Amino acid sequence: SQTIHQWPATLVQPVGSPLSLECTVEGTSNPNLYWYRQAAGRGLQLLFYSVGIGQISSEVPQNLSASRPQDRQFILSSKKLLLSDSGFYLCAWTRRDANEQYFGPGTRLTVT
Amino acid sequence: GQQLNQSPQSMFIQEGEDVSMNCTSSSIFNTWLWYKQDPGEGPVLLIALYKAGELTSNGRLTAQFGITRKDSFLNISASIPSDVGIYFCAGQLRGSNYKLTFGKGTLLTVNP
Repeated sequence: SQTIHQWPATLVQPVGSPLSLECTVEGTSNPNLYWYRQAAGRGLQLLFYSVGIGQISSEVPQNLSASRPQDRQFILSSKKLLLSDSGFYLCAWTRRDANEQYFGPGTRLTVT
Repeated sequence: GQQLNQSPQSMFIQEGEDVSMNCTSSSIFNTWLWYKQDPGEGPVLLIALYKAGELTSNGRLTAQFGITRKDSFLNISASIPSDVGIYFCAGQLRGSNYKLTFGKGTLLTVNP
């Protein structure tokens, strides 16, 4: 069966510090991968998605970047965090050419 | 971007009552998905719908893909306290590969 992992589970970082969040998927090959941010207001905002190694599509201009160095690894980064980067970050995957997205457990980021 | 109008925003019901929520759009969708999110966790896929008019059940949950392809509803019968959470609809727009559009969620509270 497939499993999706995210770490860390929680993170408190000062403004201006760098960020690296990691997502890995097990039990499948060539998944589509997604990063979402969920603010306190509940909506899910798509940040990035990737259909293959090194292929990143950005949905929203922002302070963040994403990379996919391996088939089942997706990384969300920032060089300098802003207060507005606080939120709940969710990684998701789908099978190739499928629409059902499966979410990871999320990372709670607080920028102080 | 495209919007999904999900209603109601929140519901407060007594245990044992039935619940109904829906999502509507002015655009045509190829797929409708319903998710449930517990506090501090990632959304979990409940039901996936692929054809106009399709009616699918998952235990006490029933969802339908609207005939016009522009709406979907989710019913929960005989609610129990563990039904508490945020329910999201999501759809894949015709012509929108790989990405889902999410509703803003319905917060369900069940009073025992």
